[in-house]
Amino acid sequence: EVQLVESGGGLVKAGGSLRLSCATSGFTFRSYNMNWVRQAPGKGLQWVSTISSSGSYIYYADSLKGRFTISRDNAKNSLFLRMNSLRAEDTAIYYCTRSSNYGPSPFDYWGRGTLITVSS
Amino acid sequence: EIVLTQSPGTLSLSPGERATLSCRASQSVSSSYLAWYQQKPGQAPRLLIYGASSRATGIPHRFSGSGSGTDFSLSISRLEPEDFAVYYCQQYGGSLTFGGGTKVEIK
Repeated sequence: EVQLVESGGGLVKAGGSLRLSCATSGFTFRSYNMNWVRQAPGKGLQWVSTISSSGSYIYYADSLKGRFTISRDNAKNSLFLRMNSLRAEDTAIYYCTRSSNYGPSPFDYWGRGTLITVSS
Repeated sequence: EIVLTQSPGTLSLSPGERATLSCRASQSVSSSYLAWYQQKPGQAPRLLIYGASSRATGIPHRFSGSGSGTDFSLSISRLEPEDFAVYYCQQYGGSLTFGGGTKVEIK
């Protein structure tokens, strides 16, 4: 069974930093692209970042470039998101998702998410 | 960036009725790289449809997707109680974007 479990969320002050983790199991992690998607309270979904299966290719939403850093550890089947200079508008549930590395692909599995609250 | 506009914002229907949701793109979505997701309160989204019309694994046949270019739709042939939720479209052919969502609520 595919499982994606996020951790690292919590309350942080504006300007602070946080590192999210996503532990995975049930599939060959190194063969899949991985992504972060966030959802502000009561709002829609926003793609945050994608990292290729090898980690060689990385993409970010334009509005987040420079503050967020995605990474992965294929030996530990884990995905990470480092978030710096956090703002109130970064308050959201952050989901770890999986997508195929064979061309453009949808997000076929999602974790349950971890909540980040940035206090001003 | 491709902007996806979903309509209506809210759809009020009764169980057993047919639901039709719309997703319009600001420019053509390449190779129909369009997906639909369902999200219930307190849960993560679930992939329903990809490639505009292919059902994901385990998705009931009452869910169907259609469209190409800039106009796409998701239909639910006969609403079951568990289908009342929020539905999002997503294009994944370029810079990934989601629509704003359509809430399907019980009338």
